[in-house]
Amino acid sequence: DIQMTQSPSSLSASVGDRVTITCRASQSISSYLNWYQQKPGKAPNLLISAASSLQSGVPSRFSGSASGTDFTLTISSLQPEDFATYYCQQSYTTPYSFGQGTKLEI
Amino acid sequence: EVQLVQSGAEVKKPGESLKISCKGSGYSFTSYWIGWVRQMPGKGLEWVGLIYPRDSDTRYSPSFQGQVTISADKSVSTAYLQWSSLKASDIAMYYCARQGGGLDAFDIWGQGTMVTVSS
Repeated sequence: DIQMTQSPSSLSASVGDRVTITCRASQSISSYLNWYQQKPGKAPNLLISAASSLQSGVPSRFSGSASGTDFTLTISSLQPEDFATYYCQQSYTTPYSFGQGTKLEI
Repeated sequence: EVQLVQSGAEVKKPGESLKISCKGSGYSFTSYWIGWVRQMPGKGLEWVGLIYPRDSDTRYSPSFQGQVTISADKSVSTAYLQWSSLKASDIAMYYCARQGGGLDAFDIWGQGTMVTVSS
């Protein structure tokens, strides 16, 4: 099975900060990497698919990039509504594993 | 509107059986894989498995194989997740999601079904 390792597990930041979350796959997954945002008590929401493709309706301050088996989610200027937990997920081969999550806090 | 609507919260006793549901609407239910995701209290997301409603092709995570059964009834556009004998360790929120995003991402999610197991 493919292991997804996210870092950091938690992150304190302020409104207006630029934030980067990293996800590393244990083997090559091409661009089959997705990012989700989850707020307390809510279902996850897809932000980025295929490593860098922004979902419709997602603000452009979110972006994704890839370098080999390392993937990055960047939020260019944090807004109050961005404080949430973020998960990466590989959809290259089943089981489609998730990273352990990054909790973004004020 | 494309949506997945899940059945309501359940409270069961250890050893009881349970089947929760996920009804799709606003799209061709048989054209997309449906997945199930577990989230234990205060924990992260875990991929349980997938089903393709058109032919009921099913994939399971090894961690859940034999512990749960995923099924679908395309006549009512509904996918199911079931247990034959619940354990306390099954306590969690269970989400269904449509695999319709680019490169098989989960683009539409149900609201979740909370399963509680208590004697």
